[in-house]
Amino acid sequence: GENVEQHPSTLSVQEGDSAVIKCTYSDSASNYFPWYKQELGKRPQLIIDIRSNVGEKKDQRIAVTLNKTAKHFSLHITETQPEDSAVYFCAARADFGNEKLTFGTGTRLTIIP
Amino acid sequence: GAVVSQHPSWVICKSGTSVKIECRSLDFQATTMFWYRQFPKQSLMLMATSNEGSKATYEQGVEKDKFLINHASLTLSTLTVTSAHPEDSSFYICSASRGFAGELFFGEGSRLTVL
Repeated sequence: GENVEQHPSTLSVQEGDSAVIKCTYSDSASNYFPWYKQELGKRPQLIIDIRSNVGEKKDQRIAVTLNKTAKHFSLHITETQPEDSAVYFCAARADFGNEKLTFGTGTRLTIIP
Repeated sequence: GAVVSQHPSWVICKSGTSVKIECRSLDFQATTMFWYRQFPKQSLMLMATSNEGSKATYEQGVEKDKFLINHASLTLSTLTVTSAHPEDSSFYICSASRGFAGELFFGEGSRLTVL
């Protein structure tokens, strides 16, 4: 089955600086890679996703890059703000079969004012 | 976006009792729903895939007789934790996608505490 690794587990960034979180996956059949933000006690919220036919996607301060050959993808948050503080999860899925989403281990991001 | 609702949001029960958690897709039909469990400061771990009209598919290590899943309609899946014990205390979250290969929408989660 799919295995998703995520680094770092914790990340502290000065407000205004950029944050980068990296993930690797094992199943070459995976072709959908979403990123979720989860605040304490709340449900995960999709913040951006990318499919394997695209190498990069950007939405305002958030961007995701995908290197399918190397099986890794990254989340980039620029101009970080205190409200970006949360736990971020990457995930991977192969869009056939039963569509199981496998999550990374999570990154606790803290923005220092 | 699509809405997935989960109930109850939190429940406290005595050891040995059973607890049922409901997951509903409010504005779309979901042939497949997923149940996840999340322990404190850990990731979401898939427990099972709930298929409308058929038996659920459980992940390795998840006891199907302990975690009963029923997907009786296209908008409702239930998870029953039978004979709950303190080690079952966790955050249980359901999810569903609208259509094949679509975005996954999560319920609000249900925090179970077993005394």
